[in-house]
Amino acid sequence: SQTIHQWPATLVQPVGSPLSLECTVEGTSNPNLYWYRQAAGRGLQLLFYSVGIGQISSEVPQNLSASRPQDRQFILSSKKLLLSDSGFYLCAWSGWTGRMNTEAFFGQGTRLTVV
Amino acid sequence: GNSVTQMEGPVTLSEEAFLTINCTYTATGYPSLFWYVQYPGEGLQLLLKATKADDKGSNKGFEATYRKETTSFHLEKGSVQVSDSAVYFCALSDGVDNNNDMRFGAGTRLTVKP
Repeated sequence: SQTIHQWPATLVQPVGSPLSLECTVEGTSNPNLYWYRQAAGRGLQLLFYSVGIGQISSEVPQNLSASRPQDRQFILSSKKLLLSDSGFYLCAWSGWTGRMNTEAFFGQGTRLTVV
Repeated sequence: GNSVTQMEGPVTLSEEAFLTINCTYTATGYPSLFWYVQYPGEGLQLLLKATKADDKGSNKGFEATYRKETTSFHLEKGSVQVSDSAVYFCALSDGVDNNNDMRFGAGTRLTVKP
């Protein structure tokens, strides 16, 4: 069966420090991968998605970046965090049936607090 | 581009009340539609889905029907329970090809009181 791992679960970082959140998927190949951010009391904002290794689509220009160095690994990074980067970050994956995308499967999320 | 608009919350209901959360979508292709639920401090879980027009998704007493003519996928439950308190997200995935993202609505927070 497929599983998705996302870590760390919580993170407190000072303003200006770098960020690296990692997400890995097991039990499937060539998944679509997604990073979302959920700010307090707000909805889900799509940050990045990837349909293959090295292929990253960015939805919102900001000081975050994403990389996909391996088929089932998706990394969210920042060189210098801002206070406004605080939020709940969710990684997800979906599959392709050959005709349509499957539903998305989510990790447990990382709560990032920038202080 | 593709988008989802859902009813703003928060929604507060008494136990056993009827629930409707409205969701409409805009898509250029033939999307699949989903409802996800998020319990406090957790990631999102799929609640139900529908992949083509007139399909009805159902799970745990919740239902939603894919209405292409009104571009809607409203979530309903006949009798809510306290345990249904959560945030509900409507979402779509355009199934035309495999270079599409998964779009979510803003989420609707439901609180059910005993």
